[in-house]
Amino acid sequence: GQQVMQIPQYQHVQEGEDFTTYCNSSTTLSNIQWYKQRPGGHPVFLIQLVKSGEVKKQKRLTFQFGEAKKNSSLHITATQTTDVGTYFCAGTLKTSYDKVIFGPGTSLSVIP
Amino acid sequence: DARVTQTPRHKVTEMGQEVTMRCQPILGHNTVFWYRQTMMQGLELLAYFRNRAPLDDSGMPKDRFSAEMPDATLATLKIQPSEPRDSAVYFCASGLAGTGQETQYFGPGTRLLVL
Repeated sequence: GQQVMQIPQYQHVQEGEDFTTYCNSSTTLSNIQWYKQRPGGHPVFLIQLVKSGEVKKQKRLTFQFGEAKKNSSLHITATQTTDVGTYFCAGTLKTSYDKVIFGPGTSLSVIP
Repeated sequence: DARVTQTPRHKVTEMGQEVTMRCQPILGHNTVFWYRQTMMQGLELLAYFRNRAPLDDSGMPKDRFSAEMPDATLATLKIQPSEPRDSAVYFCASGLAGTGQETQYFGPGTRLLVL
């Protein structure tokens, strides 16, 4: 079946270190979105990527969409304690409707 | 500041009882999603509505779960009878399909504990 995978599942970093999470789909995606969920909170939309090879930046966060539109990455430069949470990618598939499949998430811990 | 609202925020019940969770999507949104989140399974899509019609409920256990949208401002998720394995956080999300922007706006969730 259609799947969206993420690695790593968990990541512990020292504050100030960089962090990257990778998202891979078994199927070509129409677009990909990234969400952040703080502990005890709900997923919050960060960004959507649509074009092949697209790169977008939000302050210390850099998002990339692969050329084949099957993979994506989120890179955080110089992590801060406010970056703690779980980062989900969500890919949109072209089916009979625009089906969105969430990855399992990468849980980030930042050690002060 | 438009938000998705969910009630109740917390629910503790005994096995066998009926549980009803409610969601008010953001005004003007035409899609509603129900998700279940557990440590073991992550975010699971239970049901997806567009313009109040169910498009996908393949992730929902049909024998005890049901989802409806009586009107555009209310979505409900019912569990009858509830079981301890249903303990989880249930999120509702809404969005606007057909614009090319697939953003889902999540509610705060209902934390369900079935004893």
